Amino acid sequence: EVQLLESGGGLVQPGGSLRLSCAASGFTFSSYVMSWVRQAPGRGLEWVSGITVSGTYTYYADSVKGRFTISRDNSKNTLFLQMNSLRAKDTAVYYCAKSSSGTYYSPFGSWGQGTLVTVSS
Amino acid sequence: QSVLTQPPSASGTPGQRVTISCSGSSSNIGSNTINWYQHLPGTAPKLLIYGNDQRPSGVPDRFSGSKSGTSASLAISGLQSEDETTYYCAAWDDSLSGWVFGGGTKLTVL
Repeated sequence: EVQLLESGGGLVQPGGSLRLSCAASGFTFSSYVMSWVRQAPGRGLEWVSGITVSGTYTYYADSVKGRFTISRDNSKNTLFLQMNSLRAKDTAVYYCAKSSSGTYYSPFGSWGQGTLVTVSS
Repeated sequence: QSVLTQPPSASGTPGQRVTISCSGSSSNIGSNTINWYQHLPGTAPKLLIYGNDQRPSGVPDRFSGSKSGTSASLAISGLQSEDETTYYCAAWDDSLSGWVFGGGTKLTVL
């Protein structure tokens, strides 16, 4: 069974940093594209970032480009999201999502339960 | 403002058929397949339809998808109370090099 467990969320001040992790199990982690998707309070789903199977290529939404960095450790089956220069608008539940294949345009077949990030002074 | 446009709400009575639309452009729906997700806030979203009209295993055949040009639709037949939640369309956008979602449609079963 596919399991995705996010961690690292919490309260951070504007301008601060936070690092999210997503521990994966139940599948061959190194064979799948992985992504982060968020949902701000009262808003819809927003794709944040994606990374190819080897980590060679990364993709970002314009809203986080230059501030967030996605990475993965295939030896530890873990996905990361380093978030710097955080803003109030980054407040959201962040979901880890597994694509259905190793191609960047395959749908998100499995999701984690999410971790809440709150940016506030 | 979401790149893909969905109606914010939809409703139907038990047993009825409802459709949810999703409108995009040539760089997303027009050139890539559409996927639909079901999401109850506070829980993990669930893939409902992929590749325009394919159902993952375990998704009832009451759910169906279609695409024409730069628009797509999700149809739910034999509406049940458990279908009351929010539905999102999504597609890869070639111009943005990223995924774009619709704003979500909250379905109410009357």
